[in-house]
Amino acid sequence: KQEVTQIPAALSVPEGENLVLNCSFTDSAIYNLQWFRQDPGKGLTSLLLIQSSQREQTSGRLNASLDKSSGRSTLYIAASQPGDSATYLCAVRPTRTYKYIFGTGTRLKVLA
Amino acid sequence: EAQVTQNPRYLITVTGKKLTVTCSQNMNHEYMSWYRQDPGLGLRQIYYSMNVEVTDKGDVPEGYKVSRKEKRNFPLILESPSPNQTSLYFCASSGTDSGNTIYFGEGSWLTVV
Repeated sequence: KQEVTQIPAALSVPEGENLVLNCSFTDSAIYNLQWFRQDPGKGLTSLLLIQSSQREQTSGRLNASLDKSSGRSTLYIAASQPGDSATYLCAVRPTRTYKYIFGTGTRLKVLA
Repeated sequence: EAQVTQNPRYLITVTGKKLTVTCSQNMNHEYMSWYRQDPGLGLRQIYYSMNVEVTDKGDVPEGYKVSRKEKRNFPLILESPSPNQTSLYFCASSGTDSGNTIYFGEGSWLTVV
């Protein structure tokens, strides 16, 4: 059974730091992996999607990598800003399913 | 603008009183799904649908029903709500290819007393 883990559960950093959020999954048979941002009391916004054949995707200050063989993905945020404060979730879609399995998220606080 | 719209956004109801949470998307997506989000448990899938009249159970379907009579709509029905269904509910939609992003609604806060 696919399980998705995100560590740490919470993280505080000073403004301007580069940081890495981690996501691990137990089964490498996936269609894709997505990173989402969730602000308090709000829905999820997709940040980056990496298909199983890809190694990384970039959008602005965000870069996500995927290593299926080790069951890991990282989300790199460059030059963090207070506006980046939110919960970041990753989700995988296993092959032969239409389910998405979510991690429990990393709550990020960027201090001004 | 691409949107997934849920209603109501906030609801307090009593045990046993049937309720429906509506979900509508304007992107002609085949795939729609319902999740609940609880502290410490993350997002868990309740039901999903691959197209009109095609639905299947997710990980926590007990106590819920769904229907997909039209492509754009996917209502979640609680026939006899109980306090353990107090949660934040999200509807989501996407295309079915591996390169398709999931779009989420803003969420529906449901309290059952």
